[in-house]
Amino acid sequence: QVQLQESGPGLVKPSQTLSLTCTVSGGSISSADYYWNWIRQSPGKGLEWIGYIYYSGNTYYSPSLKDRVTISVDTSKNQFSLKLTSVTSADTAVYFCARGEERWLTFDYWGQGTLVTVSS
Amino acid sequence: ETVLTQSPGTLSLSPGERATLSCRASQSVSSNYLAWYQQKPGQAPRLLIYGASSRATGVPDRFSGSGSGTDFTLTISRLEPEDCAVYYCQQYGVSPRWTFGQGTKVEIK
Repeated sequence: QVQLQESGPGLVKPSQTLSLTCTVSGGSISSADYYWNWIRQSPGKGLEWIGYIYYSGNTYYSPSLKDRVTISVDTSKNQFSLKLTSVTSADTAVYFCARGEERWLTFDYWGQGTLVTVSS
Repeated sequence: ETVLTQSPGTLSLSPGERATLSCRASQSVSSNYLAWYQQKPGQAPRLLIYGASSRATGVPDRFSGSGSGTDFTLTISRLEPEDCAVYYCQQYGVSPRWTFGQGTKVEIK
Protein backbone atom coordinates (compact mmCIF):
# COMPACT_ATOMS: atom_id res chain seq x y z
CA GLN A 1 0.00 0.00 0.00
CA VAL A 2 1.49 3.31 -1.09
CA GLN A 3 1.68 5.96 1.61
CA LEU A 4 2.69 9.59 1.40
CA GLN A 5 3.63 11.81 4.33
CA GLU A 6 4.20 15.55 4.29
CA SER A 7 6.67 17.22 6.65
CA GLY A 8 7.89 20.75 7.25
CA PRO A 9 7.28 23.91 9.27
CA GLY A 10 3.71 24.79 10.10
CA LEU A 11 4.42 28.49 10.39
CA VAL A 12 6.20 30.69 7.85
CA LYS A 13 6.72 34.45 7.99
CA PRO A 14 5.48 36.67 5.18
CA SER A 15 7.99 37.15 2.33
CA GLN A 16 9.89 34.01 3.35
CA THR A 17 10.05 30.61 1.65
CA LEU A 18 7.70 27.75 2.41
CA SER A 19 9.49 24.37 2.27
CA LEU A 20 7.79 20.97 2.50
CA THR A 21 8.91 17.41 1.86
CA CYS A 22 6.82 14.38 0.94
CA THR A 23 8.14 10.95 1.83
CA VAL A 24 6.77 8.05 -0.20
CA SER A 25 6.63 4.54 1.23
CA GLY A 26 5.25 1.27 -0.07
CA GLY A 27 6.27 2.08 -3.63
CA SER A 28 9.09 3.57 -5.64
CA ILE A 29 9.10 7.21 -6.63
CA SER A 30 11.18 6.13 -9.65
CA SER A 31 8.27 4.42 -11.41
CA ALA A 32 7.66 5.81 -14.88
CA ASP A 33 3.90 5.28 -14.49
CA TYR A 34 3.41 8.00 -11.93
CA TYR A 35 4.06 11.67 -11.31
CA TRP A 36 4.29 13.36 -7.96
CA ASN A 37 2.15 16.36 -7.12
CA TRP A 38 1.60 19.13 -4.65
CA ILE A 39 -1.97 20.33 -4.10
CA ARG A 40 -3.20 22.83 -1.56
CA GLN A 41 -6.56 23.58 0.00
CA SER A 42 -7.65 26.85 1.50
CA PRO A 43 -11.09 28.07 2.52
CA GLY A 44 -10.94 30.85 -0.04
CA LYS A 45 -9.72 28.96 -3.08
CA GLY A 46 -10.70 25.35 -2.45
CA LEU A 47 -8.45 22.67 -3.93
CA GLU A 48 -5.65 24.10 -6.07
CA TRP A 49 -3.12 22.04 -7.99
CA ILE A 50 0.39 23.49 -7.60
CA GLY A 51 2.64 21.33 -9.76
CA TYR A 52 4.21 17.93 -10.40
CA ILE A 53 7.53 16.25 -10.90
CA TYR A 54 8.54 13.02 -12.55
CA TYR A 55 11.29 10.84 -11.13
CA SER A 56 13.45 12.08 -14.00
CA GLY A 57 13.19 15.59 -12.65
CA ASN A 58 10.82 16.94 -15.31
CA THR A 59 8.41 19.42 -13.77
CA TYR A 60 5.26 21.32 -14.63
CA TYR A 61 3.77 24.10 -12.54
CA SER A 62 0.45 25.88 -12.38
CA PRO A 63 0.76 29.12 -14.37
CA SER A 64 -0.58 31.12 -11.43
CA LEU A 65 2.28 29.96 -9.19
CA LYS A 66 5.12 29.08 -11.55
CA ASP A 67 7.16 32.18 -10.80
CA ARG A 68 7.39 31.22 -7.11
CA VAL A 69 7.36 27.40 -7.12
CA THR A 70 10.12 24.84 -7.32
CA ILE A 71 9.51 21.08 -6.98
CA SER A 72 12.47 18.75 -6.69
CA VAL A 73 12.95 15.00 -6.25
CA ASP A 74 15.42 12.86 -4.33
CA THR A 75 15.04 9.32 -5.63
CA SER A 76 17.62 7.95 -3.18
CA LYS A 77 15.36 8.97 -0.30
CA ASN A 78 12.06 8.34 -2.13
CA GLN A 79 11.11 11.94 -1.46
CA PHE A 80 10.02 15.00 -3.34
CA SER A 81 9.90 18.56 -2.11
CA LEU A 82 8.11 21.87 -2.58
CA LYS A 83 9.52 25.36 -2.24
CA LEU A 84 7.25 28.39 -2.52
CA THR A 85 8.95 31.76 -2.29
CA SER A 86 7.73 35.20 -1.22
CA VAL A 87 4.73 33.85 0.66
CA THR A 88 1.81 35.97 1.82
CA SER A 89 -1.25 35.21 3.91
CA ALA A 90 -2.94 34.02 0.71
CA ASP A 91 -0.59 31.03 0.77
CA THR A 92 -1.99 29.83 4.10
CA ALA A 93 -3.48 26.43 3.35
CA VAL A 94 -3.37 22.72 3.96
CA TYR A 95 -0.72 21.34 1.61
CA PHE A 96 -1.13 17.81 0.27
CA CYS A 97 1.29 15.67 -1.67
CA ALA A 98 -0.36 13.19 -4.02
CA ARG A 99 0.55 10.53 -6.55
CA GLY A 100 -0.76 11.08 -10.05
CA GLU A 101 -1.42 8.16 -12.36
CA GLU A 102 -0.94 8.53 -16.11
CA ARG A 103 -3.82 6.55 -17.57
CA TRP A 104 -6.76 8.54 -16.21
CA LEU A 105 -4.82 11.55 -14.91
CA THR A 106 -6.21 11.33 -11.39
CA PHE A 107 -4.65 11.56 -7.95
CA ASP A 108 -4.93 8.07 -6.52
CA TYR A 109 -2.94 8.34 -3.30
CA TRP A 110 -2.68 11.38 -1.04
CA GLY A 111 -0.79 12.35 2.06
CA GLN A 112 -2.79 13.38 5.10
CA GLY A 113 -1.98 17.04 4.50
CA THR A 114 -0.12 19.60 6.57
CA LEU A 115 -1.37 23.04 7.56
CA VAL A 116 0.99 25.87 6.75
CA THR A 117 0.14 29.27 8.20
CA VAL A 118 1.79 32.43 6.89
CA SER A 119 1.99 34.93 9.71
CA SER A 120 4.51 37.17 11.41
CA GLU B 1 -8.89 27.63 -17.68
CA THR B 2 -11.80 25.21 -17.34
CA VAL B 3 -13.99 26.19 -14.39
CA LEU B 4 -16.02 23.45 -12.70
CA THR B 5 -19.22 24.55 -10.97
CA GLN B 6 -20.81 22.09 -8.56
CA SER B 7 -24.38 22.14 -7.34
CA PRO B 8 -26.03 22.16 -4.97
CA GLY B 9 -23.68 23.61 -2.38
CA THR B 10 -25.19 21.44 0.34
CA LEU B 11 -27.44 18.41 0.11
CA SER B 12 -29.29 17.25 3.21
CA LEU B 13 -30.92 13.83 2.88
CA SER B 14 -31.98 10.88 5.00
CA PRO B 15 -30.28 7.47 5.06
CA GLY B 16 -31.44 5.32 2.18
CA GLU B 17 -32.29 8.28 -0.05
CA ARG B 18 -30.70 8.96 -3.43
CA ALA B 19 -28.20 11.81 -3.76
CA THR B 20 -27.56 13.47 -7.11
CA LEU B 21 -24.56 15.81 -7.36
CA SER B 22 -23.89 17.94 -10.42
CA CYS B 23 -20.64 19.20 -11.92
CA ARG B 24 -20.82 21.59 -14.85
CA ALA B 25 -17.74 22.62 -16.84
CA SER B 26 -17.20 25.99 -18.51
CA GLN B 27 -15.97 24.15 -21.62
CA SER B 28 -16.08 20.58 -22.84
CA VAL B 29 -14.11 18.06 -20.79
CA SER B 30 -12.91 14.71 -22.04
CA SER B 31 -14.86 12.02 -20.20
CA ASN B 32 -11.58 10.16 -19.74
CA TYR B 33 -10.36 12.94 -17.52
CA LEU B 34 -13.27 13.69 -15.22
CA ALA B 35 -12.99 12.36 -11.68
CA TRP B 36 -14.83 12.58 -8.39
CA TYR B 37 -13.34 12.63 -4.88
CA GLN B 38 -14.81 12.28 -1.40
CA GLN B 39 -13.33 14.25 1.48
CA LYS B 40 -14.23 13.73 5.12
CA PRO B 41 -13.28 16.25 7.83
CA GLY B 42 -9.58 16.23 8.65
CA GLN B 43 -8.78 13.80 5.84
CA ALA B 44 -7.33 14.00 2.37
CA PRO B 45 -9.60 13.59 -0.64
CA ARG B 46 -10.22 9.99 -1.70
CA LEU B 47 -10.59 9.04 -5.35
CA LEU B 48 -14.09 7.65 -5.99
CA ILE B 49 -14.69 7.81 -9.74
CA TYR B 50 -12.34 8.14 -12.71
CA GLY B 51 -13.04 8.38 -16.40
CA ALA B 52 -16.42 9.93 -15.48
CA SER B 53 -18.01 6.55 -14.68
CA SER B 54 -15.50 3.98 -13.40
CA ARG B 55 -15.33 3.24 -9.70
CA ALA B 56 -11.93 3.28 -8.05
CA THR B 57 -10.74 0.22 -6.13
CA GLY B 58 -12.79 -0.47 -3.01
CA VAL B 59 -15.54 2.06 -3.75
CA PRO B 60 -19.03 0.69 -2.98
CA ASP B 61 -21.32 0.17 -5.94
CA ARG B 62 -23.86 2.63 -4.56
CA PHE B 63 -21.57 5.30 -6.01
CA SER B 64 -21.88 5.88 -9.74
CA GLY B 65 -20.78 8.55 -12.19
CA SER B 66 -22.17 9.62 -15.53
CA GLY B 67 -22.11 12.44 -18.03
CA SER B 68 -20.16 13.85 -20.91
CA GLY B 69 -19.15 17.13 -22.48
CA THR B 70 -19.90 19.83 -19.92
CA ASP B 71 -22.36 18.05 -17.61
CA PHE B 72 -21.39 15.31 -15.19
CA THR B 73 -23.21 13.67 -12.29
CA LEU B 74 -22.24 11.69 -9.22
CA THR B 75 -25.07 9.58 -7.81
CA ILE B 76 -25.18 7.88 -4.45
CA SER B 77 -28.05 5.43 -4.82
CA ARG B 78 -28.78 4.72 -1.14
CA LEU B 79 -27.17 7.07 1.34
CA GLU B 80 -25.33 5.56 4.29
CA PRO B 81 -24.30 7.57 7.37
CA GLU B 82 -20.64 7.21 6.39
CA ASP B 83 -21.30 9.05 3.11
CA CYS B 84 -21.43 12.33 5.02
CA ALA B 85 -18.60 14.26 3.31
CA VAL B 86 -17.72 16.91 0.76
CA TYR B 87 -17.54 15.68 -2.84
CA TYR B 88 -15.36 17.31 -5.48
CA CYS B 89 -15.19 16.89 -9.22
CA GLN B 90 -11.85 17.32 -10.96
CA GLN B 91 -10.86 17.63 -14.60
CA TYR B 92 -7.65 17.50 -16.57
CA GLY B 93 -7.25 20.07 -19.31
CA VAL B 94 -4.73 22.25 -21.07
CA SER B 95 -3.78 24.81 -18.46
CA PRO B 96 -3.52 24.79 -15.52
CA ARG B 97 -3.85 21.09 -16.27
CA TRP B 98 -5.95 20.08 -13.25
CA THR B 99 -8.84 22.03 -11.73
CA PHE B 100 -11.38 21.13 -9.07
CA GLY B 101 -14.94 22.14 -8.41
CA GLN B 102 -15.77 24.00 -5.22
CA GLY B 103 -17.44 20.95 -3.68
CA THR B 104 -20.87 19.71 -2.61
CA LYS B 105 -21.41 18.95 1.04
CA VAL B 106 -23.63 15.93 1.72
CA GLU B 107 -25.31 15.93 5.10
CA ILE B 108 -27.22 13.00 6.54
CA LYS B 109 -30.38 13.93 8.45
